[in-house]
Amino acid sequence: QVQLLQSGAEVKKPGASVRISCTASGYSFTTYALHWVRQAPGQRLEWMGWINAASGNRQYSQKLQGRVSITGDTSASTAYMDLSSLRSEDTAVYYCARGGSGTMGDWGQGTLVSVSS
Amino acid sequence: QSALTQPPSASGSPGQSVTISCTGTSSDVGAYNYVSWYQQHPGEAPKLMIYEVSKRPSGVPDRFSGSKSGNTASLTVSGLLAEDEADYYCSSYTVSSTYVFGTGTKVTVL
Repeated sequence: QVQLLQSGAEVKKPGASVRISCTASGYSFTTYALHWVRQAPGQRLEWMGWINAASGNRQYSQKLQGRVSITGDTSASTAYMDLSSLRSEDTAVYYCARGGSGTMGDWGQGTLVSVSS
Repeated sequence: QSALTQPPSASGSPGQSVTISCTGTSSDVGAYNYVSWYQQHPGEAPKLMIYEVSKRPSGVPDRFSGSKSGNTASLTVSGLLAEDEADYYCSSYTVSSTYVFGTGTKVTVL
């Protein structure tokens, strides 16, 4: 079955950067896109960006453009999301999700990132 | 990209139906048939319930149905069960090759 396994929780100081990994199993990694979505405490889902796992083409939300970078390692079936210049408003649970047919069908378990001085 | 607009809350008694709206623009909901709906229980990851406006993934009960008219999509949950109590989010693909989520709706089963 499809599984997306994310790396563990992170605690960061303002101004730092964070990298979260998402390792896929149960399907061919390069056949589907990979999305990143975050959810601040008590808030709505926010789409961050996606990567075409086959071509490496990426698209980011306008809000995060310049601070977010999504990359993929096809040999490890793993996608990475880097977020820089962290601020308190970036405290959230970050999810990766498998894309296809204009949707996000399978989701990782989520990774909590806490930003605090 | 502004969030799609959903009502903050909706409710119904067991067995009844509830319909949630999701209003966007001609650059997202109105542009493509790539509207999805997700269910999220507290502390859990979202779960896909509807994709491409009205299609159900395997395993999703046919009590869940979706539709779209112009720039507004809708999710209907029929025959409400206690387990349907959750937050629901719509999402849409946009003309900028990005995605946008809705503001979210909390469904309460009375």
